[in-house]
Amino acid sequence: RKEVEQDPGPFNVPEGATVAFNCTYSNSASQSFFWYRQDCRKEPKLLMSVYSSGNEDGRFTAQLNRASQYISLLIRDSKLSDSATYLCVVNDSTLTFGKGTMLLVSP
Amino acid sequence: EPEVTQTPSHQVTQMGQEVILRCVPISNHLYFYWYRQILGQKVEFLVSFYNNEISEKSEIFDDQFSVERPDGSNFTLKIRSTKLEDSAMYFCASSEEGGGNQPQHFGDGTRLSIL
Repeated sequence: RKEVEQDPGPFNVPEGATVAFNCTYSNSASQSFFWYRQDCRKEPKLLMSVYSSGNEDGRFTAQLNRASQYISLLIRDSKLSDSATYLCVVNDSTLTFGKGTMLLVSP
Repeated sequence: EPEVTQTPSHQVTQMGQEVILRCVPISNHLYFYWYRQILGQKVEFLVSFYNNEISEKSEIFDDQFSVERPDGSNFTLKIRSTKLEDSAMYFCASSEEGGGNQPQHFGDGTRLSIL
C-alpha cells in the first residue's frame, strides 16, 4: 500500500516568516513528486514539481531526498495569501496524496 | 489558461438513486482521472482513463461506479445506486500524457450529497 505522510498541522505563522513542510513516502520506486495547495473546499492546484536536484520558484523551494524518501517545501517571506493546505503528492501514474498540512499566515 | 470544468457544482440525491457527474478535460489532454475527497479526509484516486478504456482503478471503484467518454469532450462518472458514504467532493483531472512526470490539472469539483 502506497502511503504519503505529512507533518500534522496547522502551522500558525506571522507574515514574513519562513515555514517548512515535510513529507515522507513509502514506495521507494516512486519517481515523480509534486506539491499541490488546496484552499478550503476547493480543488487541489499544482504548486510545483519536485526535482532530484531541488528546485525553486520564487519564494518556494522544494527538495527531494530519495535515500530517505523525504520531500520538503520551504516558503520564505510568507504572505496572507499563502494560507491554505499544502498537499504532498507522489505520482506513480496515479496520484497518492498526503493528508495535507494547513498553513495559517496572520498579519 | 485552459482548465478542467465540472458540472454540476453541487448535486443532492436520494440514497439509491443514480448520479452522473460530468467533466470536460483540457482539450489537448489524453489522460483523464476521477478522485474523491470525503470531508476532512485526503484526496483519493478512483480511476484513470485513456484511449477509451480504464487504465487503472482503485479498490474504491467497485461495480457501482463506471466511467465513459460519450463524445469528444465529456468524461463522466456514474454512480449506479448511491450510498450515504458516497457523499464527497468528486474531482476530475486530466494530463497531457500519462506516466509519473506529468502533472494533473484538477477541475473545481462536484460536491455530492446523498440524503
